[in-house]
Amino acid sequence: DTEVTQTPKHLVMGMTNKKSLKCEQHMGHRAMYWYKQKAKKPPELMFVYSYEKLSINESVPSRFSPECPNSSLLNLHLHALQPEDSALYLCASSPTGSGRVAFFGQGTRLTVV
Amino acid sequence: TQLLEQSPQFLSIQEGENLTVYCNSSSVFSSLQWYRQEPGEGPVLLVTVVTGGEVKKLKRLTFQFGDARKDSSLHITAAQPGDTGLYLCAGVRFYNQGGKLIFGQGTELSVKP
Repeated sequence: DTEVTQTPKHLVMGMTNKKSLKCEQHMGHRAMYWYKQKAKKPPELMFVYSYEKLSINESVPSRFSPECPNSSLLNLHLHALQPEDSALYLCASSPTGSGRVAFFGQGTRLTVV
Repeated sequence: TQLLEQSPQFLSIQEGENLTVYCNSSSVFSSLQWYRQEPGEGPVLLVTVVTGGEVKKLKRLTFQFGDARKDSSLHITAAQPGDTGLYLCAGVRFYNQGGKLIFGQGTELSVKP
């Protein structure tokens, strides 16, 4: 199983809603990442978890809250988002915390209304 | 200031033509990766180059890492419509907190039949 699975694939939420994005990998990778990608732009790093500990937070607003329940799972909790937060949210994993990403998930297309 | 300058940003060619995409930086990277991304999907890793001067081939795609590990190129021979997509180069930089993948702006390639 060489893939990163993200759910849901699409999400529409209001600015007062609370929702969560989920990411799962069973490759034994010990580093997992959240990226945000706007249309026609490269992915921007948000968070890095290395060995289940948050190692990098790229000054992301607190309305985005990551969680790593175990080495296979990564969540991104969303609360009080703004329309400008609409984007493709990508999860990725790599064997170690080297930053060298091996696999990306297919992404969650988030629309904030 | 963009750490990784990727060019061209847009490329529209006819099937059968050759093309080269460049990724340049004034900084040294420990490794550099190339990804291809289709609309609505996550990036797919094509190759990782690690050693200065390294050349890797993947069917009609040839990747080169500069001797000083500051630049890279992707050459596609006899492009096909299936090569259409967003091509991203990304370099790994190490910080106190760990490694980060730094992306170029991307090259949007369109191959017309």
